Amino acid sequence: AQSVAQPEDQVNVAEGNPLTVKCTYSVSGNPYLFWYVQYPNRGLQFLLKYITGDNLVKGSYGFEAEFNKSQTSFHLKKPSALVSDSALYFCAVRAPSGNTGKLIFGQGTTLQVKP
Amino acid sequence: DGGITQSPKYLFRKEGQNVTLSCEQNLNHDAMYWYRQDPGQGLRLIYYSQIVNDFQKGDIAEGYSVSREKKESFPLTVTSAQKNPTAFYLCASSTRTGGANTGELFFGEGSRLTVL
Repeated sequence: AQSVAQPEDQVNVAEGNPLTVKCTYSVSGNPYLFWYVQYPNRGLQFLLKYITGDNLVKGSYGFEAEFNKSQTSFHLKKPSALVSDSALYFCAVRAPSGNTGKLIFGQGTTLQVKP
Repeated sequence: DGGITQSPKYLFRKEGQNVTLSCEQNLNHDAMYWYRQDPGQGLRLIYYSQIVNDFQKGDIAEGYSVSREKKESFPLTVTSAQKNPTAFYLCASSTRTGGANTGELFFGEGSRLTVL
C-alpha cells in the first residue's frame, strides 16, 4: 500500500537560516511526488513535483526538493527562510501505474519561521 | 480567471440535518475530489470522480454522498449518518493522468462545517 510519512509535526527555524521539511514514502514502482503548502483557513497550493529526471527539483517561492530513491525520501528545502514561509506543508505521493490520479498525503508539518 | 470555487466558506448545522457543499471548477478538468481535513490527520479522501456520471468511494465515504452530473460541478452532501462531521472540507480537481499529465491537484479554498 502507498503511504507517506512526515516525521516532524513542527519545524522551527530562524529567518535567514536554511530549512528542511522531511518526507519519506512507500510506493510500488517509481513514484510521483508532490509538495503543497497551506495557509490558515485556505486551500492547498502546489509547490513542486518530482516525476523523473534530475533528483533536485525547483518550485515556487524559492523552494526545492531532493528525491533520494535509496532512502525513499523527498525532503523540502529552502536556502534562506522567510517569516512569510510559516505555514502547513504537505508531502503527497502517487504511484504512476493506473490513472486514478489519487494522491496520498502525509499528515503535514507546521513550519514556524521566527524573526 | 480559472479556478475552483467552494461554497459556503463557513456552514453551521444542527445534528440530524443534511448539508450540501458546493464545488465548481472552470479549469476543464476531468477529475474531481473531496478531501476532509482534521487537525493532525492530514487530508483523507472522501470521494472522487474521474468522469461525468461516475464516482468512486475514497477512504472515508461513510456518511457522505456525491453526484457528478456536470463536468464542472461535484457537490458533496454530508448526511446525518456522518457521526463526526465537523471538519474542513477541501475540493480539488486535476487533469486525467497519463502522458504529460501527472495529476497534480488544484484546490479550492475550503468549506468549514461546524455541527452544533
